[in-house]
Amino acid sequence: GENVEQHPSTLSVQEGDSAVIKCTYSDSASNYFPWYKQELGKRPQLIIDIRSNVGEKKDQRIAVTLNKTAKHFSLHITETQPEDSAVYFCAASRDTGFQKLVFGTGTRLLVSP
Amino acid sequence: SAVISQKPSRDICQRGTSLTIQCQVDSQVTMMFWYRQQPGQSLTLIATANQGSEATYESGFVIDKFPISRPNLTFSTLTVSNMSPEDSSIYLCSVGGSRDSGNTIYFGEGSWLTVV
Repeated sequence: GENVEQHPSTLSVQEGDSAVIKCTYSDSASNYFPWYKQELGKRPQLIIDIRSNVGEKKDQRIAVTLNKTAKHFSLHITETQPEDSAVYFCAASRDTGFQKLVFGTGTRLLVSP
Repeated sequence: SAVISQKPSRDICQRGTSLTIQCQVDSQVTMMFWYRQQPGQSLTLIATANQGSEATYESGFVIDKFPISRPNLTFSTLTVSNMSPEDSSIYLCSVGGSRDSGNTIYFGEGSWLTVV
């Protein structure tokens, strides 16, 4: 089955810096890759996703890149703000009917003012 | 996106007891999923709740421990049976995951269980 690895486990940056979180997956048939943000005491919220037919997707200060050959994808946050502090999870699934997500282990991002 | 309501939001449970978590969605959905998030950990799928048929359980999860009901297209329940402290987790109901919905999965607010 699918296995998703995520790095780093913790990431500390200064406000205004960029943050990058990387994930690798094992199932070459996976072609849907969402990212979730989970603030303390709250549910995971979808922030961006990408499908294998594109290599990059951007939404304001966040972007996701995908390298299908290498089987890895990354989340990029620019101009970080203290409210970006949270745990971020990557996930992967196949786009064939109803599919379950396999999650990475999570990255705790701390943005210091 | 669908509005997903879960009850209870939090509970403290005694060892050996069982608790049923309810999940209500504001629209009809084909698939509902139950995830577990242990303290400080990632999310793990427990089972997929199918309307009109038995739930499909993931490896490591069994029906006797986590019985699931899915009486209609807007409602599901997950029971955590004979609880132990290791069952202290957030239990999350989710919907989506279909190609028609773009594979996007949305989560309810979660049920935070502490077993003492």
